[in-house]
Amino acid sequence: GIQVEQSPPDLILQEGANSTLRCNFSDSVNNLQWFHQNPWGQLINLFYIPSGTKQNGRLSATTVATERYSLLYISSSQTTDSGVYFCAASNSGYALNFGKGTSLLVTP
Amino acid sequence: SQTIHQWPATLVQPVGSPLSLECTVEGTSNPNLYWYRQAAGRGLQLLFYSVGIGQISSEVPQNLSASRPQDRQFILSSKKLLLSDSGFYLCAWSGAATAGTVWTQYFGPGTRLLVL
Repeated sequence: GIQVEQSPPDLILQEGANSTLRCNFSDSVNNLQWFHQNPWGQLINLFYIPSGTKQNGRLSATTVATERYSLLYISSSQTTDSGVYFCAASNSGYALNFGKGTSLLVTP
Repeated sequence: SQTIHQWPATLVQPVGSPLSLECTVEGTSNPNLYWYRQAAGRGLQLLFYSVGIGQISSEVPQNLSASRPQDRQFILSSKKLLLSDSGFYLCAWSGAATAGTVWTQYFGPGTRLLVL
C-alpha cells in the first residue's frame, strides 16, 4: 500500500501562531484526507483533498498530487486546535493508509 | 444528517474470551463501512471494509473477523482474545460508489478495549 509520512511528529505553539503540517505519500492517490483527533479520541474529518486547495475558516489544505505531498495550514492557532493531525491516503479509494500523525499542543 | 454509533465505549476482557463490537450508521443507505484499530503510538490500521451486506474485505490477517448482517450494521468479532488485541477500535463510513463525493470517511466515537 501507499506509504504516508508526516512531519513534524510533534509541535508546540503559542496561541495565535501559525503552523504548517506536511504529508508526503509514496504513490499517486485518488483519496487523501486530513483528520483531527481530539484528546478524547474522536476523529474529525477536516478535508477531503486528493488535489488542489481548500479552505475552512482558519484551516486550509493544499495537495500537489504530481509532487506527492499535501500541506495543512493552521492560522491563528487556538488551544482547541490541540490534538493529533492525521493525513491518510489511498489509490484504491477504500483502504486509507494513515500516517503516524503530528501531535500539536497549543499553549495559552 | 448521518450519525454513526459504536458500543460499548470501553471494554475490559480477559485473554481467551470472545469479543463483539457493534457499529451502526443512521441517515444513509448502502454506505461503505470500515473497522480500524489504533494501538498505542497513534497510527491507525485498517482491519476490514465492506461495500455491501455480507461483503467483507480483510486488510490484515489476524485474530479478528467482521460481519455485515444488515446494510447499516458492522460487527467486529473474535472467538478468543489475545493480549495484542488491546487498542482503540474505530468504525467509519463513507458514501457508496455511486454517490457524488465518494471517499470522505466519517468516524464513530470508538471503543477502547483492554485485554488482561
